[in-house]
Amino acid sequence: KNEVEQSPQNLTAQEGEFITINCSYSVGISALHWLQQHPGGGIVSLFMLSSGKKKHGRLIATINIQEKHSSLHITASHPRDSAVYICAFTSLDFGNEKLTFGTGTRLTIIP
Amino acid sequence: NAGVTQTPKFQVLKTGQSMTLQCAQDMNHNSMYWYRQDPGMGLRLIYYSASEGTTDKGEVPNGYNVSRLNKREFSLRLESAAPSQTSVYFCASSEARTGRNYGYTFGSGTRLTVV
Repeated sequence: KNEVEQSPQNLTAQEGEFITINCSYSVGISALHWLQQHPGGGIVSLFMLSSGKKKHGRLIATINIQEKHSSLHITASHPRDSAVYICAFTSLDFGNEKLTFGTGTRLTIIP
Repeated sequence: NAGVTQTPKFQVLKTGQSMTLQCAQDMNHNSMYWYRQDPGMGLRLIYYSASEGTTDKGEVPNGYNVSRLNKREFSLRLESAAPSQTSVYFCASSEARTGRNYGYTFGSGTRLTVV
């Protein structure tokens, strides 16, 4: 049973399009994380949020605690945004020390 | 640059061989973690260390051992490698404290193939 589900699994879009990646989870959480992984590369933390909305450059992350749902948006998408985007959470049951990961959304931006 | 350093980046082992994956962080973080990443699955926790001198099993600990040598270093050992341990391994660290959340920093990964 997956406690965190991401959609879509794969997304291909044209450069400049507005991108939305969704994440739903089924347990109480203490924080929701969005991570980025380029092909063959390491994992970079993009956002950590427990309420509301955060913005960094062209990236926006939102969370609705009541609905147990988070979204990652990319405005004016660019080929360099092509990567796997991973949603993860730290759960209240386990304290603040461990992450549960989604399987990722593979984003491809075509020039 | 500050961060998490993993070595080696690539490794091929024969079944039954042993090896140690090294991880070091220079951010003075208390918590360190080892994850494995397999196709079609989310990262899974192998072992973690909440502080120097302590280690705990994660979701998939079988076939692995760890050592938290000091606050900076957390190593992962495969005593007798099996093909099922072919995976990409990531080390991570965080300044996790009770009641609060901090971000995580990941290493660049070790791609291990067991033949």
